[in-house]
Amino acid sequence: QVQLVESGGGVVQPGGSLRLSCAASGFTFSSYGMHWVRQAPGKGLEWVAFIRYDGSNKYYADSVKGRFTISRDNSKNTLYLQMNSLRAEDTAVYYCAKERPYYGDLYWGQGTLVTVSS
Amino acid sequence: AIQLTQSPSSLSASVGDRVTITCRASQGISSALAWYQQKPGKAPKLLIYDASSLESGVPSRFSGSGSGTDFTLTISSLQPEDFATYYCQQFNNYPPPLTFGGGTKVEIK
Repeated sequence: QVQLVESGGGVVQPGGSLRLSCAASGFTFSSYGMHWVRQAPGKGLEWVAFIRYDGSNKYYADSVKGRFTISRDNSKNTLYLQMNSLRAEDTAVYYCAKERPYYGDLYWGQGTLVTVSS
Repeated sequence: AIQLTQSPSSLSASVGDRVTITCRASQGISSALAWYQQKPGKAPKLLIYDASSLESGVPSRFSGSGSGTDFTLTISSLQPEDFATYYCQQFNNYPPPLTFGGGTKVEIK
């Protein structure tokens, strides 16, 4: 049974940092590309970042480029999102998601809430 | 980046109604489109992938069609548990970004 469990969310002040984790189980984590997608309160879905199965390539939305870093540890079956210089507009539920090869659809974790507020 | 325009943004329907939601891409994406259902406080759940393939375990009242730029999600007979928000998502270009439609909220009439 595929499971993705996010953690690390919380309340942080503007300009602060936070690291999210996503623990994967039930599949061969090292074989799959992984995404972070966020959803601001009452809003739609926004893609944040992607990392290839082996960590060789990483891609970011323009809104987070230079501030967020996606990484993975395949030995620990864990995906990360390091978020620096946080802004109020980064407030959202952050989901990690496993990408189905070729078709590109996503299997989602349950999400973790990040609130940026003073 | 490819943009996805969903319509309508919301609709009211009754149990048993046939419901159709459309998703238009700003350029051709072949069949690289998925549909998700999201209920309040929950993660999105995959319904349809590759534009028309039903995900395992999803009721057959859900169907998808289309290719190129115009796509449709149809619920043949709306059930109480189907009241939710629906999103389309494209995966035609590599590398990312992925893009999502703005969502369609299906409410009880």
